[in-house]
Amino acid sequence: DVQMTQSPSSLSASVGDRVTITCQASQDISNYLNWYQQQPGKAPKLLVNDASNLETGVPSRFSGSGSGADFTFTITSLQPEDIATYYCQQYANLPVTFGGGTKVGIK
Amino acid sequence: EVQLVESGGRLVQPGRSLRLSCAASGFTFEDYAMHWVRQAPGKGLEWVSGIGWSSGTSAYADSVKGRFTMSRDNAKNSLYLQMDSLRPEDTALYFCAKTSGINVLPAALGAFDMWGQGTMVTVSS
Repeated sequence: DVQMTQSPSSLSASVGDRVTITCQASQDISNYLNWYQQQPGKAPKLLVNDASNLETGVPSRFSGSGSGADFTFTITSLQPEDIATYYCQQYANLPVTFGGGTKVGIK
Repeated sequence: EVQLVESGGRLVQPGRSLRLSCAASGFTFEDYAMHWVRQAPGKGLEWVSGIGWSSGTSAYADSVKGRFTMSRDNAKNSLYLQMDSLRPEDTALYFCAKTSGINVLPAALGAFDMWGQGTMVTVSS
């Protein structure tokens, strides 16, 4: 199975700060990597597909980059509504696997 | 309205069976592969199984292989998960999710672009 290692597991930042989350795959997964946001008590929501494509309607402060085994998810200016857990997910190989999640809080 | 609505979750004893359902609306159900993803209390996301648009392809996580069976009825816009020989470690919120792809094939699967709100399964004596 492809292991997805996300870091950090949690972080706190101030409103307006730049937040960066990394996701490392245990093998080359090309760009078959998606990012999700899960707000407390809600279902996950797709934000970025294929490593860098922002979903329609998702604010432009969110972005993704990377290919191969190393990926980055960035929030350029953290907003209060961004409080959530963020997950990366690969689909280069079955089984589909998710990273362990990054819980983002406000200072 | 485009939505997925799961049902069937409840408290069940270890070793027993349970069938989950997911009703789809607002999109052409038969055009997409569908999946089940679960989340144990306080834990992360775990993919459980997926089924292609025509039921021609399917796949399961090793943790459920041989115990869970996924099926779909395109005429009823419905997805099912038959869960047998349930274990305490199967306790989780079960989400059904739509992907942008039509089959459950590596690199063609796509992203989970629509999710239901989940149905809770608790396995305990």
